[in-house]
This record gives sequence, C-alpha cells and structure tokens, in this order.
Amino acid sequence: EAEVAQSPRYKITEKSQAVAFWCDPISGHATLYWYRQILGQGPELLVQFQDESVVDDSQLPKDRFSAERLKGVDSTLKIQPAELGDSAMYLCASSSGLLAIDTQYFGPGTRLTVL
Amino acid sequence: DAKTTQPPSMDCAEGRAANLPCNHSTISGNEYVYWYRQIHSQGPQYIIHGLKNNETNEMASLIITEDRKSSTLILPHATLRDTAVYYCIVRVAASDMRFGAGTRLTVKP
Repeated sequence: EAEVAQSPRYKITEKSQAVAFWCDPISGHATLYWYRQILGQGPELLVQFQDESVVDDSQLPKDRFSAERLKGVDSTLKIQPAELGDSAMYLCASSSGLLAIDTQYFGPGTRLTVL
Repeated sequence: DAKTTQPPSMDCAEGRAANLPCNHSTISGNEYVYWYRQIHSQGPQYIIHGLKNNETNEMASLIITEDRKSSTLILPHATLRDTAVYYCIVRVAASDMRFGAGTRLTVKP
C-alpha cells in the first residue's frame, strides 16, 4: 500500500537554529499539505500545494516558515529561526485532487522539540 | 472551528463493538463525513467516509442518519490496538479538514 513518507521522524534543535522537514507524497498525488499539531490538539493546516504551486498559505507564519515543492513531487518545510513555541508534530498529507471525495492520507509526522 | 461535536472520551471492552457518535447538525448537502483516527505519536489514519448512505469497509462501518445531522462509527470487534483518538470531520473539499478535539477511545481487556 502506498504511503506518505516523512523524515526525520524526530528532531531536537536549539532555539534560533534552522530546521527542515521533508515529505514525499503518495505517487501521483497532486495535492500536498503540511500541518502542525500541538500536543493535545488536532492538526492545523499550514500550507497546501497543488502541483508546485501554493494554493493556501494563509496560516503559515511567513516570517520564519517557508515551504516549497519545486518539481511538484516532494516538499520541504523550513523553520528559521526556530522558537520554543514551534515544538510540535509536523504532519504531511497528500490527496489525488481537491474534491471532497478525494481522501487525504497522512505521513507518520516529524516530532520537533525546540530547546 | 470544527463543525462537529464528539464526546471527549469513551471506553470499550475488547472484543465488543465500539460505537463512536458524532453530531454535525449544520452539515450541508454537499459535505462528506470523514473519520480518521490517531494512535499515539503517529499521523492520522483514514478510516472511512460517506455522503448519505451507510458505508462499510474492512476497518469499520459508518452509519449516517437520514437527516445527515449525526453519524456513528462502528468498530465491530474492538481490539487493544484500536485505542486512539477518533476524529469526525465534515468537509466540502479535500482541503477542508478542520479537526476538533476528537474522541479518545480506550479499549480495555
């Protein structure tokens, strides 16, 4: 069964350092999403891509967060500089399209701890 | 904000059916009902979805009331590995994934 891949699974960094997370969606999925999940809460959307284009980044803190999907396949989410409040699980998901019938499938996530 | 209401927690005996309710009284005609679950420290796992009709797959059954204002996810024979947070989501587009707090299901031996 095809899966969304993410790396690393765990990341510990000090505040003010830069961190990057990688996501490889299910093959053929044009739509890719990055979410942030704070402990005890549900995931919240940060950014959505359709192929290589950003569709929605309204919830992305653009002063420190950036995301790219240069060739419309895999994607990288970067934080620079990291702050203590960025400690969370970062989840990537993909879907084949934009319709309600198109299911999102999630990766295992990257657990970030900022010290 | 999530458009659904779920009980914060439920218990179920191993081997028995787990019935997880979800209220979505403001659902519109073109919104699907989706269920996901999240086992501790893992990404959300898709379970099942439906629009109007009841649905069944290898993991669960989804019962949607005729007025579509509520639904029930049924795990027919719960195991300890089904212990997780279960999220009910109603959405009109693939990106419309507003997670609430979900229901924490604990399956007990």
